[in-house]
Amino acid sequence: AQSVTQLDSQVPVFEEAPVELRCNYSSSVSVYLFWYVQYPNQGLQLLLKYLSGSTLVKGINGFEAEFNKSQTSFHLRKPSVHISDTAEYFCAVSEVNSGYALNFGKGTSLLVTP
Amino acid sequence: NAGVMQNPRHLVRRRGQEARLRCSPVKGHSHVYWYRQLPEEGLKFMVYLQKENIIDESGMPKERFSAEFPKEGPSILRIQQVVRGDSAAYFCASSSRGADGAFFGQGTRLTVV
Repeated sequence: AQSVTQLDSQVPVFEEAPVELRCNYSSSVSVYLFWYVQYPNQGLQLLLKYLSGSTLVKGINGFEAEFNKSQTSFHLRKPSVHISDTAEYFCAVSEVNSGYALNFGKGTSLLVTP
Repeated sequence: NAGVMQNPRHLVRRRGQEARLRCSPVKGHSHVYWYRQLPEEGLKFMVYLQKENIIDESGMPKERFSAEFPKEGPSILRIQQVVRGDSAAYFCASSSRGADGAFFGQGTRLTVV
């Protein structure tokens, strides 16, 4: 079984500042890793995913994440945030070769202010 | 090229009634997943289905909840005799080859009064 911990429930940041949303996971097997964004009253949109290969993954909207196997982390970063990035961000994992169930963290609420 | 379509978007039921939530996956996707999101919580996996088969229902409550994905038509999540604790947002996701790259619908927000 896997578990996902998002260390910050809320992250306030000023517009154009950099941001890092932290995600740690635990698993006894190899995993795939994902970040999703949820805008108010909307579904989840995939930002990026790590399946294999390069540990630095680039996603949509200028976000990127780095898979660190030794630290079991998959932190999400953006060098300069916009007001429109205000949303809930979820980290998720699934077992390699299981193909299905995503285990989600509890989410981090990113609030970008002018 | 429609994404995952869920309906209704909002559903209000009285305690004891039945709730039926529908999910039409992305065209060509044969894998469907249902998740539940309680207030202030992340999403919890409920069930994974392929056409006409339940692959994993380890996240489904043992009673009152059922899911199907028939050969024709949408996937249905059914909750019988709803209780206030069933109030939540229910999300459906679909993919063509397992969870890598699942696309989510906008959810059905169930309120039990």
